Amino acid sequence: LAKTTQPISMDSYEGQEVNITCSHNNIATNDYITWYQQFPSQGPRFIIQGYKTKVTNEVASLFIPADRKSSTLSLPRVSLSDTAVYYCLVASGGSYIPTFGRGTSLIVHP
Amino acid sequence: DAGITQSPRHKVTETGTPVTLRCHQTENHRYMYWYRQDPGHGLRLIHYSYGVKDTDKGEVSDGYSVSRSKTEDFLLTLESATSSQTSVYFCAISPGQDNYGYTFGSGTRLTVV
Repeated sequence: LAKTTQPISMDSYEGQEVNITCSHNNIATNDYITWYQQFPSQGPRFIIQGYKTKVTNEVASLFIPADRKSSTLSLPRVSLSDTAVYYCLVASGGSYIPTFGRGTSLIVHP
Repeated sequence: DAGITQSPRHKVTETGTPVTLRCHQTENHRYMYWYRQDPGHGLRLIHYSYGVKDTDKGEVSDGYSVSRSKTEDFLLTLESATSSQTSVYFCAISPGQDNYGYTFGSGTRLTVV
């Protein structure tokens, strides 16, 4: 199971772009990268999933370099409501047992 | 989230009593999971199920048992609750099939006094 490393916390301001990088040096060939968002007193919410290069949806973009040893979640123009904990998970292909790390606590300031 | 509900949402119980938490899904997803979340520990997997009557242990399974007699329900039982099991419990579901977007319930806050 690929271990992930993320910054413990980040601060930003409204309207800025936020990039959260996750390191997963021992990612395997058939592993997928997923990101989740969790607000206080709520369960995590799936944001985005990717395998390589770039994936974009209405909420965020996920950038994965060719070696796939890291990934970056990009949140465009954050608002106060983006204050949350963000988790990077590496999912082993065919193994559906999500393992969560400590995540990155993002605080967006006015 | 739509398609997955947990009950009860809150519960206070006494040490030594049995407690059962229920997770119900309407998505017909194959995989179901129970996590607990505590300050300083993040989300930790207790048990999971990969089909009816097919379950396995996670990293913190001691003191917990589960049952899945039908696709839509996954029950978590604390046979004899202890104060260390005071926590927020989350259920999650997944369809599998290369879809790693797990859907989580709203959580059950359990207090053991």
